[in-house]
Amino acid sequence: AQSVTQLGSHVSVSEGALVLLRCNYSSSVPPYLFWYVQYPNQGLQLLLKYTSAATLVKGINGFEAEFKKSETSFHLTKPSAHMSDAAEYFCAVSRNSGGYQKVTFGIGTKLQVIP
Amino acid sequence: NAGVTQTPKFRILKIGQSMTLQCAQDMNHNYMYWYRQDPGMGLKLIYYSVGAGITDKGEVPNGYNVSRSTTEDFPLRLELAAPSQTSVYFCASSPRTGQGVNIQYFGAGTRLSVL
Repeated sequence: AQSVTQLGSHVSVSEGALVLLRCNYSSSVPPYLFWYVQYPNQGLQLLLKYTSAATLVKGINGFEAEFKKSETSFHLTKPSAHMSDAAEYFCAVSRNSGGYQKVTFGIGTKLQVIP
Repeated sequence: NAGVTQTPKFRILKIGQSMTLQCAQDMNHNYMYWYRQDPGMGLKLIYYSVGAGITDKGEVPNGYNVSRSTTEDFPLRLELAAPSQTSVYFCASSPRTGQGVNIQYFGAGTRLSVL
């Protein structure tokens, strides 16, 4: 079985402040991990992915995430928030299931950026 | 670069009516998926397909049907609409990756209200 837990359904930060969105995963095998972003009235798009290469993964728009096996975490960070970062962020985990990669999404974290 | 196209964008149905949500992708992806997104619940997989002629149930298939006659198209059918089917529906696709990473590409969604 696999699952992801996103801590905090809503996070508010001031413009220019650090963004930290938390994700913990559960997987019986080494996982593939993802962060997706959803802007208002749009579908999800990939922000970054972890595939067992480097533990620090850099994504688009200045975001990065660090895979920590000992903590089963894959938290998303950005040093300085921009107004355009306001969106909903989804952590996801995938594993091979009958020949295809089954993806499980977290419930999402809405990021509000305060001017 | 159309990607994944969903139609319609919005729809209001009366209880008991039927409709088909259309999904088409032009990336020659083998895998396609239908999700529903409800507030605070993340994405729930309704049905998926690993290729033309092959479909399987996801987490929440009741009340829905799918077909996959071509690689490009993956329509979702609601036969007897119920208020519980009020949601935002997302179609996604991904390339065949074997043991590799399943990166999904999403459409913009269909917002459905059943009244």
